[in-house]
Formats: sequence, C-alpha cells, structure tokens
Amino acid sequence: DTGVSQDPRHKITKRGQNVTFRCDPISEHNRLYWYRQTLGQGPEFLTYFQNEAQLEKSRLLSDRFSAERPKGSFSTLEIQRTEQGDSAMYLCASSLAQVQETQYFGPGTRLLVL
Amino acid sequence: SQQGEEDPQALSIQEGENATMNCSYKTSINNLQWYRQNSGRGLVHLILIRSNEREKHSGRLRVTLDTSKKSSSLLITASRAADTASYFCATDRGGYQKVTFGTGTKLQVIP
Repeated sequence: DTGVSQDPRHKITKRGQNVTFRCDPISEHNRLYWYRQTLGQGPEFLTYFQNEAQLEKSRLLSDRFSAERPKGSFSTLEIQRTEQGDSAMYLCASSLAQVQETQYFGPGTRLLVL
Repeated sequence: SQQGEEDPQALSIQEGENATMNCSYKTSINNLQWYRQNSGRGLVHLILIRSNEREKHSGRLRVTLDTSKKSSSLLITASRAADTASYFCATDRGGYQKVTFGTGTKLQVIP
C-alpha cells in the first residue's frame, strides 16, 4: 500500500496526558499537512511542512501542540497535557508541490480525551 | 475558520436521481477541489477545477465554477447507494497557501 498511513488509528487517553501521532506520507511527496476535524465539520488546517521545514501554523495550534518532520519524510504531531476539547479526528495529508495541488489523505487518528 | 460553506447541509435522494451540492467561498482562489469522506474515514479527492476554468467532468461528476459569484457546484448523475458520504469543497490561493475546507454536504442515497 503506497498511500498515506497514520498511526495509531484510535487513541483514548486521560486528560492531562501527552499523546503523539505519526504520519507516513506518500514517499515522493514533499508537502505534508495536519488537519483536525470535529464531528459535523470540515477539516481545519493545523500546520504544514515543505520537506522538513514547517512553513505555516494555524492559530488553532496552541503551545500544547507541536509537529515535526525531522528528515522530510514521516511527521509526528504531539499534544501535551491533553484536554477534553482536543477530542477529534486528526488527519494527515501529503502532496507533491506543483501548480495544481491535490492532497492525499490518510485514514486519520481518532482521539478521545476522557 | 472555514473558507467555504456547502449547501445544502444534508441531502437525501433515491438511487438513480441526480444530486447537486453547492459551495460558496469568501476570498479569491487559485484552485477549488471537491473531496468525499465516508463516515469516519479519510478524505478522497474527486476533482480539481482551476480558477480560469468554468466546468469540468469526471465520470458521473460535473463541477462548475463561477468566480464572479465565488461559488461552485458539484453534480453527481445517476446516483448510487455507494455515493452516500459527506462532500467537501476546498480552496487554495496558490503558492504556499494552505487548502481551506468548507463545512460539507451530507449526502444519503436511498437504494
């Protein structure tokens, strides 16, 4: 399977705990995006990387959130001191930077903070 | 915040009928795309239309774009039960600009 993969697919944690999600993009894609989606809403942009450089961060990405893409391949999204409001689906997408940009999405990680 | 708004929020039709959903957006765009999302899953890209295009077809899908009205429509012809999903429009402004999604239309096709 050469699509975007995410791990884990589901995560249940207690409030105050730290969680880390991983995204493996399509191998030749140099752009990687993180989105958050809550029930009944469209995905909301969190951040994106061009290779290993983090080029933009949303204001939704509070100080408790950090994302890395150290070697320009896989990426991790960490949430520290989780809150119940962090419960959502976290989606990763990748694309090949070009004039027309189609993003390919992974299956998502569903987070539930108790 | 969401850039676009889809209309209607929900749509229920019989199999074989056509389904039309609309998307309105607020700022100028470079590209507009439509995605489908089955319940609880990731998004699947359907079609991309550039700002200088007015209409595009892909199989049973037809997308129109009216940049003067800042709106787009997605038509699915001869719908099937497997088309049941949420449909989102997404816009970008080119270059390093991020893609911004609308709020989605939930389509139910009844067999």
